[in-house]
Amino acid sequence: ETGVTQSPTHLIKTRGQQVTLRCSSQSGHNTVSWYQQALGQGPQFIFQYYREEENGRGNFPPRFSGLQFPNYSSELNVNALELDDSALYLCASSLEGGPNTGELFFGEGSRLTVL
Amino acid sequence: GENVEQHPSTLSVQEGDSAVIKCTYSDSASNYFPWYKQELGKRPQLIIDIRSNVGEKKDQRIAVTLNKTAKHFSLHITETQPEDSAVYFCAAPNSGYSTLTFGKGTMLLVSP
Repeated sequence: ETGVTQSPTHLIKTRGQQVTLRCSSQSGHNTVSWYQQALGQGPQFIFQYYREEENGRGNFPPRFSGLQFPNYSSELNVNALELDDSALYLCASSLEGGPNTGELFFGEGSRLTVL
Repeated sequence: GENVEQHPSTLSVQEGDSAVIKCTYSDSASNYFPWYKQELGKRPQLIIDIRSNVGEKKDQRIAVTLNKTAKHFSLHITETQPEDSAVYFCAAPNSGYSTLTFGKGTMLLVSP
């Protein structure tokens, strides 16, 4: 069984730039959620993708966008980067509709630093 | 949406003592309550969870209790060990979605 993998693991950008983060879901999982974890805080829900459609969104502006592909992998795109976007971005996969709905399996995260 | 409050924010115990972390939630329809452990620089990992049809669940040294009437649930760690030192997060489902709202975390430090 393959776990959740994310890339890149670390990256540095400057204000105003754009970034794309990638996630491969755990084998057999059809749903991907993205979270932002600022230093010393709990993960904050950004959005979720199910069957290639956005299936819920947290309190994040439209410059945070995403995609899910037919193989259930996903991308998170952030435009016009701001200093406060510096955080660990976590991808979590899950199996929607199964008996264990709600269980999330996290990747190691992508640590973004915006200068 | 769901609102999850977690206390305390930090907890220091001596090795062998018990540790208790408490969380409250706001949505009475929530039915799934996991606890995650996050070591420094690592991913959050599920350590135990409970669904609303039971009041308590145990797994070796850890247990979770749920009080649906009061809308709170707690993590209990007995016979703590230094390797239990980490940040612990509680969570509850976002209304209508199969994703989670997390508490702000509790940093547990177990001293030898």
